[in-house]
Amino acid sequence: QVQLVQSGAEVKKPGASVKVSCKASGYTFTSYGISWVRQAPGQGLEWMGWISAYNGNTNYAQKLQGRVTMTTDTSTSTAYMELRSLRSDDTAVYYCARARLLAPMDVWGKGTTVTVSS
Amino acid sequence: QSVLTQPPSVSGAPGQRVTISCTGSSSNIGAGYDVHWYQQLPGTAPKLLIYGNSNRPSGVPDRFSGSKSGTSASLAITGLQAEDEADYYCQSYDSSLSVGVFGGGTKLTVL
Repeated sequence: QVQLVQSGAEVKKPGASVKVSCKASGYTFTSYGISWVRQAPGQGLEWMGWISAYNGNTNYAQKLQGRVTMTTDTSTSTAYMELRSLRSDDTAVYYCARARLLAPMDVWGKGTTVTVSS
Repeated sequence: QSVLTQPPSVSGAPGQRVTISCTGSSSNIGAGYDVHWYQQLPGTAPKLLIYGNSNRPSGVPDRFSGSKSGTSASLAITGLQAEDEADYYCQSYDSSLSVGVFGGGTKLTVL
């Protein structure tokens, strides 16, 4: 079945970087993109960006420009999201989801908890 | 402040009908971009509930329906059940920001 399996929880200090992985299975990886969405504790969903698994084109939320990089490895059907210069307000659950640009996110990973604390 | 505006909470008794609104602008919903709805049960990842304004993925009960008009969209839930208690989010695309956008979310309480 179609699924996205994310990497485990991370604890980071302010100023550090984190790289979350999202391994896809059950479909042709390069036929879709991957969106990244985060949710701070007790808050709503925030769209972070999208990457095409076909050609690597990206589209990032303006507030994260310069701190976030999304990549894919088609040989392992894995997407990655790296966030740098972490701050306490980056503490959140990070989700990856399958989607074509402008299309709905139809399959979601279970989420990766990233905690930023000194 | 979310680009798409949803009521923070709605409630209804079992068996009743509730609606959740999602108000946008001329650069997102009003520009013709599709609206999608997600259901997030406590402690779980969001799940696609309605796509393309009014379409249900396989497995979603027909108690859930969506509509869109002008710069707004709505999610309706009929025959409310206890297991419908969750957070609901609308999502679209904004052409002036060139990003996907979510509503702030609506918590549905089944009384």
